[in-house]
Amino acid sequence: QVQLQESGPGLVKPSETLSLTCTVSGASVSSGGYYWSWIRQPPGKGLEWIGYIYYSGSTNYNPSLKSRVFISVDTSKNQFSLELTSVTAADTAVYYCAIWSRHSGSYYWYFDLWGRGTLVTVSS
Amino acid sequence: DIQMTQSPSSLSASVGDRVTITCRASQSIGNYLNWYQQKPGKAPNLLIYAASSLQSGVPSRFSGSGSGTDFTLTISSLQPEDSATYYCQETYSNPFTFGQGAKLEIK
Repeated sequence: QVQLQESGPGLVKPSETLSLTCTVSGASVSSGGYYWSWIRQPPGKGLEWIGYIYYSGSTNYNPSLKSRVFISVDTSKNQFSLELTSVTAADTAVYYCAIWSRHSGSYYWYFDLWGRGTLVTVSS
Repeated sequence: DIQMTQSPSSLSASVGDRVTITCRASQSIGNYLNWYQQKPGKAPNLLIYAASSLQSGVPSRFSGSGSGTDFTLTISSLQPEDSATYYCQETYSNPFTFGQGAKLEIK
């Protein structure tokens, strides 16, 4: 049974860097065919895709965040991580890690497994 | 970016009712459209992918339809456990935008 678990500070100061890690169990981040993703949801609001990484290190980011986002993968620890620089109060959100996968043999992609999410508050 | 607009933003219905939520894309996205259900304090759960394909394990009372710019999620016979917020998501192009959500309450 594949599980994802987010971890990291729940409070970050404005202008600093938000850093989160997603630990994967029951599957290997080195497995091909999956993209390891981050999504966020401000309190009471909708969902925003942040970006994803392939085990090879190839990444794809939301253009609205691209200048501030870095996603990395650590195959030795079976983890992937998110860094978001120069945070403001607008970055306060629940951050989810998720698996971006596709229906076998198709081009239809979806988030079919999510972590429980972790609330990160940006405040001094 | 493709904009995704859901309607209504909130609705209330009774157990056994047929419920429809719509999602409109700002440009044609073929059938690259997913639907998710999110309950309070929980992560979203995939219901429908490719506009009309039911994810494994999802009750058959959920169905999706549409292509191009207009899509619908239908619950054929509403159950108490269907109280949740429902999101559509386009997977046609980066940034794979989600709709703003439709909050469904049970009367």
